[in-house]
Amino acid sequence: EIVLTQSPGTLSLSPGERATLSCRASQSVSSSYLAWYQQKPGQAPRLLIYGASSRATGIPDRFSGSGSGTDFTLTISRLEPEDFAVYYCQQYGSSPPVTFGPGTKVDIK
Amino acid sequence: QVQLVQSGAEVKKPGASVKVSCKVSGYTLTELSMHWVRQAPGKGLEWMGGFDPEDGETIYAQKFQGRVTMTEDTSTDTAYMELSSLRSEDTAVYYCATNAYGFFDYWGQGTLVTVSS
Repeated sequence: EIVLTQSPGTLSLSPGERATLSCRASQSVSSSYLAWYQQKPGQAPRLLIYGASSRATGIPDRFSGSGSGTDFTLTISRLEPEDFAVYYCQQYGSSPPVTFGPGTKVDIK
Repeated sequence: QVQLVQSGAEVKKPGASVKVSCKVSGYTLTELSMHWVRQAPGKGLEWMGGFDPEDGETIYAQKFQGRVTMTEDTSTDTAYMELSSLRSEDTAVYYCATNAYGFFDYWGQGTLVTVSS
Protein backbone atom coordinates (compact mmCIF):
# COMPACT_ATOMS: atom_id res chain seq x y z
CA GLU A 1 0.00 0.00 0.00
CA ILE A 2 1.28 3.44 -0.91
CA VAL A 3 1.33 5.71 2.13
CA LEU A 4 1.41 9.47 1.60
CA THR A 5 3.07 11.67 4.21
CA GLN A 6 2.54 15.41 4.23
CA SER A 7 4.72 17.98 5.90
CA PRO A 8 4.57 20.14 7.78
CA GLY A 9 1.41 19.28 9.67
CA THR A 10 0.71 22.96 10.17
CA LEU A 11 2.18 25.93 8.36
CA SER A 12 1.74 29.34 9.99
CA LEU A 13 2.24 32.16 7.52
CA SER A 14 1.09 35.69 6.83
CA PRO A 15 -0.85 36.88 3.79
CA GLY A 16 1.51 37.64 0.93
CA GLU A 17 4.03 35.00 1.99
CA ARG A 18 4.99 31.94 -0.01
CA ALA A 19 3.74 28.52 1.12
CA THR A 20 5.57 25.31 0.27
CA LEU A 21 3.78 22.06 1.10
CA SER A 22 5.37 18.63 0.77
CA CYS A 23 3.84 15.25 -0.07
CA ARG A 24 6.06 12.19 0.12
CA ALA A 25 5.02 8.71 -1.04
CA SER A 26 6.28 5.42 0.39
CA GLN A 27 6.67 4.11 -3.19
CA SER A 28 7.00 5.78 -6.55
CA VAL A 29 3.79 7.37 -7.82
CA SER A 30 3.06 8.05 -11.45
CA SER A 31 2.98 11.82 -11.84
CA SER A 32 -0.17 11.44 -13.85
CA TYR A 33 -1.91 10.26 -10.74
CA LEU A 34 -0.94 12.78 -8.07
CA ALA A 35 -3.48 15.44 -7.14
CA TRP A 36 -3.86 18.21 -4.59
CA TYR A 37 -7.06 19.47 -2.92
CA GLN A 38 -7.99 22.42 -0.76
CA GLN A 39 -10.60 22.09 1.95
CA LYS A 40 -12.14 24.85 4.04
CA PRO A 41 -14.19 24.22 7.19
CA GLY A 42 -17.65 22.90 6.44
CA GLN A 43 -16.94 22.55 2.73
CA ALA A 44 -16.18 19.69 0.39
CA PRO A 45 -12.62 19.41 -0.91
CA ARG A 46 -11.82 21.33 -4.07
CA LEU A 47 -9.47 20.01 -6.75
CA LEU A 48 -6.47 22.31 -7.23
CA ILE A 49 -3.84 20.32 -9.10
CA TYR A 50 -3.94 17.05 -11.05
CA GLY A 51 -1.20 15.17 -12.86
CA ALA A 52 1.21 16.63 -10.29
CA SER A 53 1.41 20.01 -12.05
CA SER A 54 -1.76 20.82 -14.02
CA ARG A 55 -4.08 23.39 -12.51
CA ALA A 56 -7.76 22.51 -12.41
CA THR A 57 -10.28 24.78 -14.07
CA GLY A 58 -10.59 28.15 -12.38
CA ILE A 59 -7.61 27.71 -10.06
CA PRO A 60 -5.48 30.87 -9.80
CA ASP A 61 -1.94 30.70 -11.12
CA ARG A 62 -0.49 31.42 -7.68
CA PHE A 63 -1.05 27.69 -7.08
CA SER A 64 1.53 25.41 -8.67
CA GLY A 65 2.46 21.75 -8.31
CA SER A 66 5.72 19.97 -9.02
CA GLY A 67 7.60 16.80 -8.33
CA SER A 68 7.91 13.20 -9.45
CA GLY A 69 8.57 9.73 -8.12
CA THR A 70 8.10 9.93 -4.37
CA ASP A 71 8.41 13.69 -3.72
CA PHE A 72 5.80 16.24 -4.68
CA THR A 73 5.30 19.88 -3.77
CA LEU A 74 2.41 22.31 -3.78
CA THR A 75 3.46 25.96 -3.83
CA ILE A 76 1.27 28.97 -3.21
CA SER A 77 3.33 31.88 -4.45
CA ARG A 78 1.63 34.62 -2.42
CA LEU A 79 -0.99 33.70 0.14
CA GLU A 80 -4.35 35.40 -0.16
CA PRO A 81 -6.74 35.50 2.84
CA GLU A 82 -8.94 32.85 1.20
CA ASP A 83 -6.01 30.40 0.88
CA PHE A 84 -5.90 29.58 4.60
CA ALA A 85 -7.25 26.04 4.63
CA VAL A 86 -6.23 22.39 4.78
CA TYR A 87 -4.48 20.86 1.78
CA TYR A 88 -4.45 17.17 0.90
CA CYS A 89 -2.44 15.23 -1.65
CA GLN A 90 -3.88 12.09 -3.22
CA GLN A 91 -2.54 9.28 -5.39
CA TYR A 92 -4.39 6.94 -7.68
CA GLY A 93 -3.28 3.78 -9.36
CA SER A 94 -1.72 1.45 -6.85
CA SER A 95 -3.52 -0.95 -4.57
CA PRO A 96 -5.48 0.34 -2.85
CA PRO A 97 -6.36 2.48 -5.83
CA VAL A 98 -6.76 5.68 -3.90
CA THR A 99 -4.96 7.07 -0.88
CA PHE A 100 -4.90 10.54 0.62
CA GLY A 101 -2.24 12.20 2.69
CA PRO A 102 -3.12 13.34 6.23
CA GLY A 103 -3.23 16.99 5.21
CA THR A 104 -1.34 20.21 5.88
CA LYS A 105 -3.15 23.05 7.59
CA VAL A 106 -2.12 26.51 6.45
CA ASP A 107 -3.14 29.01 9.09
CA ILE A 108 -2.65 32.69 9.68
CA LYS A 109 0.41 33.65 11.65
CA GLN B 1 -20.77 21.45 -15.45
CA VAL B 2 -21.44 18.50 -13.16
CA GLN B 3 -23.49 19.06 -10.03
CA LEU B 4 -23.81 16.49 -7.27
CA VAL B 5 -26.53 16.90 -4.66
CA GLN B 6 -26.55 14.52 -1.72
CA SER B 7 -29.29 13.46 0.66
CA GLY B 8 -29.65 14.95 4.11
CA ALA B 9 -28.08 14.15 7.43
CA GLU B 10 -28.84 10.84 9.13
CA VAL B 11 -28.76 9.60 12.70
CA LYS B 12 -28.49 5.84 13.12
CA LYS B 13 -28.10 3.40 15.97
CA PRO B 14 -25.16 1.02 16.15
CA GLY B 15 -25.77 -2.07 14.05
CA ALA B 16 -28.12 -0.30 11.65
CA SER B 17 -27.55 0.53 7.99
CA VAL B 18 -27.54 3.86 6.19
CA LYS B 19 -28.09 4.63 2.52
CA VAL B 20 -26.83 7.95 1.17
CA SER B 21 -27.86 9.21 -2.26
CA CYS B 22 -26.07 11.46 -4.74
CA LYS B 23 -28.11 13.02 -7.54
CA VAL B 24 -26.22 13.98 -10.69
CA SER B 25 -27.11 16.85 -12.98
CA GLY B 26 -25.32 18.38 -15.93
CA TYR B 27 -24.18 14.95 -17.11
CA THR B 28 -25.63 11.46 -17.05
CA LEU B 29 -24.38 8.98 -14.49
CA THR B 30 -23.24 6.65 -17.26
CA GLU B 31 -20.76 9.30 -18.39
CA LEU B 32 -19.17 9.49 -14.96
CA SER B 33 -17.15 7.32 -12.60
CA MET B 34 -18.66 7.86 -9.17
CA HIS B 35 -16.70 7.29 -5.98
CA TRP B 36 -17.31 7.79 -2.28
CA VAL B 37 -14.98 9.40 0.26
CA ARG B 38 -15.64 9.92 3.94
CA GLN B 39 -14.24 12.22 6.60
CA ALA B 40 -14.59 11.59 10.32
CA PRO B 41 -14.92 14.71 12.50
CA GLY B 42 -11.62 16.58 12.59
CA LYS B 43 -9.90 13.90 10.52
CA GLY B 44 -8.63 13.44 6.97
CA LEU B 45 -10.16 12.04 3.82
CA GLU B 46 -10.72 8.29 3.45
CA TRP B 47 -11.57 6.64 0.12
CA MET B 48 -14.29 4.00 0.33
CA GLY B 49 -14.66 2.81 -3.23
CA GLY B 50 -16.09 3.58 -6.62
CA PHE B 51 -16.71 2.57 -10.19
CA ASP B 52 -13.71 1.46 -12.24
CA PRO B 53 -14.54 2.11 -15.91
CA GLU B 54 -11.59 -0.02 -17.08
CA ASP B 55 -13.04 -3.13 -15.49
CA GLY B 56 -16.65 -2.05 -15.53
CA GLU B 57 -16.92 -2.98 -11.89
CA THR B 58 -17.22 -1.27 -8.55
CA ILE B 59 -14.14 -1.56 -6.37
CA TYR B 60 -14.15 -1.18 -2.61
CA ALA B 61 -11.45 -0.31 -0.14
CA GLN B 62 -10.48 -3.44 1.74
CA LYS B 63 -11.47 -1.81 5.02
CA PHE B 64 -15.11 -1.65 3.93
CA GLN B 65 -15.36 -4.93 1.99
CA GLY B 66 -18.50 -6.79 3.00
CA ARG B 67 -20.06 -3.76 4.69
CA VAL B 68 -20.48 -1.29 1.86
CA THR B 69 -22.50 -1.46 -1.33
CA MET B 70 -22.39 1.19 -4.04
CA THR B 71 -25.13 1.19 -6.63
CA GLU B 72 -26.44 3.40 -9.40
CA ASP B 73 -29.89 4.12 -10.79
CA THR B 74 -29.23 5.34 -14.31
CA SER B 75 -32.91 6.12 -14.85
CA THR B 76 -32.69 8.90 -12.28
CA ASP B 77 -28.93 9.59 -12.49
CA THR B 78 -28.60 8.86 -8.80
CA ALA B 79 -25.78 7.01 -7.08
CA TYR B 80 -26.14 5.33 -3.72
CA MET B 81 -23.79 4.23 -0.99
CA GLU B 82 -25.10 1.85 1.67
CA LEU B 83 -23.04 1.07 4.75
CA SER B 84 -24.19 -1.65 7.12
CA SER B 85 -23.37 -2.79 10.66
CA LEU B 86 -22.74 0.79 11.67
CA ARG B 87 -20.56 1.57 14.63
CA SER B 88 -19.62 4.82 16.32
CA GLU B 89 -16.42 5.04 14.28
CA ASP B 90 -18.54 5.37 11.14
CA THR B 91 -19.70 8.80 12.26
CA ALA B 92 -18.45 10.98 9.44
CA VAL B 93 -19.33 13.19 6.53
CA TYR B 94 -19.77 11.05 3.43
CA TYR B 95 -19.00 12.60 0.04
CA CYS B 96 -19.73 11.40 -3.47
CA ALA B 97 -17.16 12.56 -6.01
CA THR B 98 -16.55 11.99 -9.70
CA ASN B 99 -13.29 10.36 -10.65
CA ALA B 100 -11.58 11.53 -13.82
CA TYR B 101 -8.31 9.79 -14.73
CA GLY B 102 -7.47 9.29 -11.09
CA PHE B 103 -8.44 12.57 -9.50
CA PHE B 104 -11.75 13.76 -8.06
CA ASP B 105 -12.99 16.78 -9.96
CA TYR B 106 -16.55 17.25 -8.70
CA TRP B 107 -17.79 16.68 -5.17
CA GLY B 108 -21.17 16.57 -3.51
CA GLN B 109 -21.84 18.79 -0.54
CA GLY B 110 -21.46 15.92 1.91
CA THR B 111 -23.86 14.01 4.13
CA LEU B 112 -23.29 13.79 7.87
CA VAL B 113 -24.00 10.34 9.26
CA THR B 114 -24.06 10.14 13.04
CA VAL B 115 -23.99 6.75 14.73
CA SER B 116 -25.15 6.95 18.30
CA SER B 117 -27.16 4.87 20.73
